[in-house]
Amino acid sequence: AQSVAQPEDQVNVAEGNPLTVKCTYSVSGNPYLFWYVQYPNRGLQFLLKYITGDNLVKGSYGFEAEFNKSQTSFHLKKPSALVSDSALYFCAVRALVTGGYNKLIFGAGTRLAVHP
Amino acid sequence: DTEVTQTPKHLVMGMTNKKSLKCEQHMGHRAMYWYKQKAKKPPELMFVYSYEKLSINESVPSRFSPECPNSSLLNLHLHALQPEDSALYLCASSQELAGGPPDTQYFGPGTRLTVL
Repeated sequence: AQSVAQPEDQVNVAEGNPLTVKCTYSVSGNPYLFWYVQYPNRGLQFLLKYITGDNLVKGSYGFEAEFNKSQTSFHLKKPSALVSDSALYFCAVRALVTGGYNKLIFGAGTRLAVHP
Repeated sequence: DTEVTQTPKHLVMGMTNKKSLKCEQHMGHRAMYWYKQKAKKPPELMFVYSYEKLSINESVPSRFSPECPNSSLLNLHLHALQPEDSALYLCASSQELAGGPPDTQYFGPGTRLTVL
């Protein structure tokens, strides 16, 4: 069964420092992976996805993620954090269901707090 | 434009009320989704429509009744809800649901539902 784990409930980082939000996955077949961000009382905003190709995926707002097949990881990174990056981040993996339909399985979420 | 709109933003209802949540997208997407999200938790998939037909029902109680009147609109009819149904209800859409790698799901801002 497909699953995704975000091992950290919260990540704290100082503004201007690099940030990493961790995600590991378990899938059968090809992994299709996504990162979303959620600000308070808002919907989820798409950041980036890995479908195939380069292991380093670049996304919105300066975020990038590195796909590592041997470690089954898809960590989200940013070279220099901003206070405005403080939000809840979700990693998600595609799961195939009956009928060949795609659905997303979300991790528990990681709260990122960037301090001035 | 990757906008999904949802109305109302907030809804308070009693356990005997009937209400509806509305979702609209004009991106030409053929798959639309309803998610339920409790505070500080990941979204949980409820229903998926593909080409205006119900494709996935994640064993949701019958007090939630989805409807897809056309390819741009998705409704969620609510009746006889319980206080534990209070949550943020998110709508999403994507280009296509089945037959290949998953397309990006784009989320609306959500409806904050409180059941008294």
